[in-house]
Amino acid sequence: SAVISQKPSRDICQRGTSLTIQCQVDSQVTMMFWYRQQPGQSLTLIATANQGSEATYESGFVIDKFPISRPNLTFSTLTVSNMSPEDSSIYLCSVEGGLAGYEQYFGPGTRLTVT
Amino acid sequence: QKEVEQDPGPLSVPEGAIVSLNCTYSNSAFQYFMWYRQYSRKGPELLMYTYSSGNKEDGRFTAQVDKSSKYISLFIRDSQPSDSATYLCAMRGGGSNYKLTFGKGTLLTVNP
Repeated sequence: SAVISQKPSRDICQRGTSLTIQCQVDSQVTMMFWYRQQPGQSLTLIATANQGSEATYESGFVIDKFPISRPNLTFSTLTVSNMSPEDSSIYLCSVEGGLAGYEQYFGPGTRLTVT
Repeated sequence: QKEVEQDPGPLSVPEGAIVSLNCTYSNSAFQYFMWYRQYSRKGPELLMYTYSSGNKEDGRFTAQVDKSSKYISLFIRDSQPSDSATYLCAMRGGGSNYKLTFGKGTLLTVNP
């Protein structure tokens, strides 16, 4: 399975500011995914990021709020813009891979608190 | 009705017990089924994955899928304190539909 790292691991931010989360994979992958894990809630897919194309956002998530970059096959960033306390959550990136080809592997997550 | 339902627990068992974790789902298009283990303050770790109905065994873990009942299970035999974690079920459709839909997770504690 791929080894995935995320930066920062945690942050405390003030409302109205923005935070960019980085995701680095140790191998080239076609698809990267960004999820949100709110307390007591299911992991929810924010968007799918393919290298060289615009990210595809799920219902309820918009590019202005969560801009994503995917400059190459091993790296992606997610920005949480104009933050409010409701954005306090764990943000996770994942990649598809593995022997069967449909497994998804997750990074360690970024724990964000907005005050 | 939520697409995936999972009892959040918490579930507390003595060491050595057999643990049964379950999820039900409503979307008949789901074809791939996964179980993740998530330790506190860590990312989800893929434990088991299966395609369509049937059983799959890996050491102390067995995953079962019953598509006719829209019901999946994870069994843990001879549970250990190190199994204490939140277990998440996840599923997706076939083809180019990569989106995983997760249950809320079940918090398991195995007491020594």
